[in-house]
Amino acid sequence: DSGVTQTPKHLITATGQRVTLRCSPRSGDLSVYWYQQSLDQGLQFLIQYYNGEERAKGNILERFSAQQFPDLHSELNLSSLELGDSALYFCASSPLISGGNEQFFGPGTRLTVL
Amino acid sequence: QQPVQSPQAVILREGEDAVINCSSSKALYSVHWYRQKHGEAPVFLMILLKGGEQKGHDKISASFNEKKQQSSLYLTASQLSYSGTYFCGTERTAAGNKLTFGGGTRVLVKP
Repeated sequence: DSGVTQTPKHLITATGQRVTLRCSPRSGDLSVYWYQQSLDQGLQFLIQYYNGEERAKGNILERFSAQQFPDLHSELNLSSLELGDSALYFCASSPLISGGNEQFFGPGTRLTVL
Repeated sequence: QQPVQSPQAVILREGEDAVINCSSSKALYSVHWYRQKHGEAPVFLMILLKGGEQKGHDKISASFNEKKQQSSLYLTASQLSYSGTYFCGTERTAAGNKLTFGGGTRVLVKP
């Protein structure tokens, strides 16, 4: 158990819908990362927040957005869902902002878009 | 740019050794290694930093050749629990912004 929690564990929805994935980082970790893992794309970095502010953006679609709240939990919002958005979404956290530090991954949310 | 992992898959008998490689065409600050069991979260194994520092589990062995921008993970005297998909993730700077992951190496250890 990494100490990172994600809810829900599974989510099944229809095309065109909007969903929110939630992540609570390890106690004391200020940095939160979101990754998408699909069969054909592997693990892809989406976005990073540090202490409430966006730090870095990766291959995140405009239909997706995220935020980090004052209590440091983060939410990833996915809208106008398409079949191709079906994937495992992982959140990871790290105590520091600098590189060379372990990222602790949560158990993931499996999103299925029908 | 995504690092390249090789081989894509390997099958071992318990007790055998294997090497997994991760290569980048760009200069790296660090290489991270994770193991993932099917449907589960990636689990941290080791970080190798530019300059020679390593952080990780004592039972895991890895190297980072800065001249070649290549890292290798050594699975020695493999156990059944070593089965899973191994990913390398790379950082190009010390900014701590993101990991760029390779495509993964599937390892199956048989009795």
